Amino acid sequence: DAGVIQSPRHEVTEMGQEVTLRCKPISGHDYLFWYRQTMMRGLELLIYFNNNVPIDDSGMPEDRFSAKMPNASFSTLKIQPSEPRDSAVYFCASSPRTFSGGNTNEQFFGPGTRLTVL
Amino acid sequence: AQSVTQLDSQVPVFEEAPVELRCNYSSSVSVYLFWYVQYPNQGLQLLLKYLSGSTLVKGINGFEAEFNKSQTSFHLRKPSVHISDTAEYFCAVTPSGGYQKVTFGTGTKLQVIP
Repeated sequence: DAGVIQSPRHEVTEMGQEVTLRCKPISGHDYLFWYRQTMMRGLELLIYFNNNVPIDDSGMPEDRFSAKMPNASFSTLKIQPSEPRDSAVYFCASSPRTFSGGNTNEQFFGPGTRLTVL
Repeated sequence: AQSVTQLDSQVPVFEEAPVELRCNYSSSVSVYLFWYVQYPNQGLQLLLKYLSGSTLVKGINGFEAEFNKSQTSFHLRKPSVHISDTAEYFCAVTPSGGYQKVTFGTGTKLQVIP
């Protein structure tokens, strides 16, 4: 398996512009997560999906952030308008459901998108 | 709710020396525990996990961790580190049984000195 795929790997944009980050989870994984990592705040969970449905978006910092999962193989995180304080590395991760129907909550991370907002 | 504390933000250690990275957690229910490693400019990858059973868990790259329920700890150890172990290590916790959010610690940067 190719693992979790994220694009772009690097994004540099100007304040006020719209930014869209993309993620392809591992095939067959039921859960998808978006995280943000900064030096100041560490690793923060923004939102997660189960079977394409958003379950908890309490970590989304404000209305400028939105996430969608139109199907099991694709998710986007959009920031509109972007601000310099959004500069961070954004990770997507996915998690499987075990054969028995339980879930050990092990997460598989993508390589991340480094976002710089000027 | 669960919480994770990694008291050491940075740990320098000489090559071939042993290392212990500390992790303490707080939870009112039984938990699953994880250690993840993040190499520079990469995503996190699972090092090892404790679900149940033996309290000594062995992971990849010669790392192991011991679950201590009475001390609510899950310290990570390696008897002899290599330069390639230089990375950031994250402890994580989640309630056992059914999916719930994973709570990550703030990370410990391990710097292996030649």
